Amino acid sequence: EVQLLESGGGLVQPGGSLRLSCVGSGFTFRNHAMNWVRQVPGKGLEWVSAISGSGDKTYYADSVKGRFTISRDNSENTLDLQMHGLRVEDTAIYFCVQSDCPSTDCRKFDWWGQGTQLIVSS
Amino acid sequence: DIQVTQSPSTVSVSVGDRVTITCRASQSVRSYLAWYQQKPGKGPKLLIHTASLLHTGVPSRFSGSGSGTEFTLTISSLQPDDLATYHCQQYGLYSTFGGGTKVEI
Repeated sequence: EVQLLESGGGLVQPGGSLRLSCVGSGFTFRNHAMNWVRQVPGKGLEWVSAISGSGDKTYYADSVKGRFTISRDNSENTLDLQMHGLRVEDTAIYFCVQSDCPSTDCRKFDWWGQGTQLIVSS
Repeated sequence: DIQVTQSPSTVSVSVGDRVTITCRASQSVRSYLAWYQQKPGKGPKLLIHTASLLHTGVPSRFSGSGSGTEFTLTISSLQPDDLATYHCQQYGLYSTFGGGTKVEI
């Protein structure tokens, strides 16, 4: 059974930093590109970032480019999202999401975690 | 960017009803359209991909159709477990989601 477990959410002041993490199990981690997708509670979903299965390619939504960095450790089956320069509009639930193949061109999202909440507020 | 519009935003139903949700893309995404089900406090679950293909384990009362810019998700006979919010996603060019449709009693 595929499981994705996020952690690291919390309350941060505007301009602050935070690191989200996700541990995957039940599948061969390196064989899948991984993504972060966020959702303002009660609103729609927004893709944030993707990383290829090998970790050599990364992509970001324009709204977070230059502020967020996605990375992975295939030896530990972990996915991270380092966030700097946080803004009030980054407040959301962040989901760790598995793509269906190793390439970042694969954007069908087969499995999702339960999410971790980030609140950016003074 | 490709915009994705879902309708309706909320649909009130009864158990056993046939439910249809529509998703429109601002330009053709061919058949690169997925549907997800989300329950409160949970992450979304993939129901349908490539516009009409059921994901593993999804009941056959769910079906999808369409191509290009217009797509539909149909639940043939709504069950209590189907009360949720449904999201469509185009993945023909990058990835964008519709605003969601809440299915409620």
